[in-house]
Amino acid sequence: AQSVTQLDSHVSVSEGTPVLLRCNYSSSYSPSLFWYVQHPNKGLQLLLKYTSAATLVKGINGFEAEFKKSETSFHLTKPSAHMSDAAEYFCVVSAPGLYQKVTFGTGTKLQVIP
Amino acid sequence: GAVVSQHPSRVICKSGTSVKIECRSLDFQATTMFWYRQFPKQSLMLMATSNEGSKATYEQGVEKDKFLINHASLTLSTLTVTSAHPEDSSFYICSAKGDSAEKLFFGSGTQLSVL
Repeated sequence: AQSVTQLDSHVSVSEGTPVLLRCNYSSSYSPSLFWYVQHPNKGLQLLLKYTSAATLVKGINGFEAEFKKSETSFHLTKPSAHMSDAAEYFCVVSAPGLYQKVTFGTGTKLQVIP
Repeated sequence: GAVVSQHPSRVICKSGTSVKIECRSLDFQATTMFWYRQFPKQSLMLMATSNEGSKATYEQGVEKDKFLINHASLTLSTLTVTSAHPEDSSFYICSAKGDSAEKLFFGSGTQLSVL
């Protein structure tokens, strides 16, 4: 069984300040973890993924996430928010194996204030 | 919150048969639905986008005759894998959004195994 919890449905930051989007997961296995972003009226875009290699994962657009097994967390961070970062962000957990079940979090809407 | 129901959650079929996967929006009108496929240790691959009442728009490399998508109503979209082969075995997931909503809601996915 697996699940993912995004702790904040909305996050609001000022432009130029750090971003933290929280994600906790549970999985019976060693999972793969992903962060996707969805801009208004567009499809999903992969930001970054963790698949049992380095625990600190760097993604596109300056985002990164750290896999912490002891805390079952995979929080997404960015040092300095940009207006173009305003979007919906989804944390996703995927079970290992040939046909991987994917479970999505409920999403966090990031608002960036000028 | 909005709910998207995807059925079946798991299906095993013989090679050469067709399999239909349903995706329903239970409490909102889904004007747009997306179908994705998950490959092992890779990110989701968008297969197609369907708007209610229109033909689906397929991504490059996705065979439209093999993966038939129907979005005949505002609450139901179906993906039919025709003449399934073992290489079609995968995890398929749908998502939906309403006309005025920017947020996507996801189904729980379907694990397809073709023997």
